[in-house]
Amino acid sequence: GAGVSQSPSNKVTEKGKDVELRCDPISGHTALYWYRQSLGQGLEFLIYFQGNSAPDKSGLPSDRFSAERTGGSVSTLTIQRTQQEDSAVYLCASSPWGDTQYFGPGTRLTVL
Amino acid sequence: GENVEQHPSTLSVQEGDSAVIKCTYSDSASNYFPWYKQELGKRPQLIIDIRSNVGEKKDQRIAVTLNKTAKHFSLHITETQPEDSAVYFCAASVSGDYGQNFVFGPGTRLSVLP
Repeated sequence: GAGVSQSPSNKVTEKGKDVELRCDPISGHTALYWYRQSLGQGLEFLIYFQGNSAPDKSGLPSDRFSAERTGGSVSTLTIQRTQQEDSAVYLCASSPWGDTQYFGPGTRLTVL
Repeated sequence: GENVEQHPSTLSVQEGDSAVIKCTYSDSASNYFPWYKQELGKRPQLIIDIRSNVGEKKDQRIAVTLNKTAKHFSLHITETQPEDSAVYFCAASVSGDYGQNFVFGPGTRLSVLP
């Protein structure tokens, strides 16, 4: 079946612009996670959704970051007023019941 | 919350040798321990997992062992091949507890030398 998809695959933006990253989870998966991975680094947890609600927003780096999920499916991660330090790969994962996570291919964000 | 440590951070082995990566966790309630492999430029992919009701699980050249008392688990790769070169991440979680208790280790970069 279809796996987790993310769009765009690459995004180049100028400092100060807003960006939206999209994640389409595996159909039926109730949990959805966002991670950030800088070059050569580990997985930095950002936020997770259980259904449409986000009980744990503790990982969001600043108030420039926000995320939403609608219909228990698609999620968007929005970064406002992007900074160069936001450059990274943003990975989305979904899970049917909160254990095994299936990752999307990621969005590589470059802020010039 | 959970804390996961992983060692070593880098590991080089000769092709055909075995590789072992160890992780420790802090939350005794954790009961699910997956391992992910991430090749350069690709997404993390699940390679094996273990639940707390078993002590060992094997899948061809890959095995995972779990010591609940000591709160550590290990990934064993035998007869390593160049295509095993990647970054490996362990994780620990409480199954069904979606958020803060699903924690990844910092990763181990494995290089298999021909």
